[in-house]
Amino acid sequence: NAGVTQTPKFQVLKTGQSMTLQCAQDMNHEYMSWYRQDPGMGLRLIHYSVGAGITDQGEVPNGYNVSRSTTEDFPLRLLSAAPSQTSVYFCASSSGSRGEKLFFGSGTQLSVL
Amino acid sequence: QKEVEQDPGPLSVPEGAIVSLNCTYSNSAFQYFMWYRQYSRKGPELLMYTYSSGNKEDGRFTAQVDKSSKYISLFIRDSQPSDSATYLCAMKTTDSWGKFQFGAGTQVVVTP
Repeated sequence: NAGVTQTPKFQVLKTGQSMTLQCAQDMNHEYMSWYRQDPGMGLRLIHYSVGAGITDQGEVPNGYNVSRSTTEDFPLRLLSAAPSQTSVYFCASSSGSRGEKLFFGSGTQLSVL
Repeated sequence: QKEVEQDPGPLSVPEGAIVSLNCTYSNSAFQYFMWYRQYSRKGPELLMYTYSSGNKEDGRFTAQVDKSSKYISLFIRDSQPSDSATYLCAMKTTDSWGKFQFGAGTQVVVTP
């Protein structure tokens, strides 16, 4: 029972490089989201999707792009990495009538030098 | 000011003690209240979930919501060293699909 799977677990980038963080879920959840976690800041919503083909911005969307072509996958793209994007990134999917129960992946630790 | 405030700790308790955690919030429209546990270098996992006001108990865990005071609590009875983790509160409104506001998390250390 895989749940939410994120890859890679660790990544180091140089400023200006681009990359994609992968996220897949096998629970057939319509809702998926990306959060970043920084010390003292808690989890902050970057982008979310309520179903295939539908995405929207969260609290901190600048510098990130998403797309949702299938129910299972929700990749997060960093267009031009900046040191301020150094963080731990979590993908989540949710169940419940209002998407109230989040299930998280194990996270990607990203460092931008 | 953040919508959800949570003391970062650390909160250190001896094994067997009651752990008391809380969050305050400012948005009176929040209706769903959750507590997540996060071990070091792991993703958060859902512990307790409450809709609107009241208490909910699950084994050693009790969650309380006081909407009049905009205050939620989590109590862990008979704490174990395995309860050492960071505990995050989260909340959302009825119409915000999956858009949660999280507290910064409280680190709990249970010493044998």
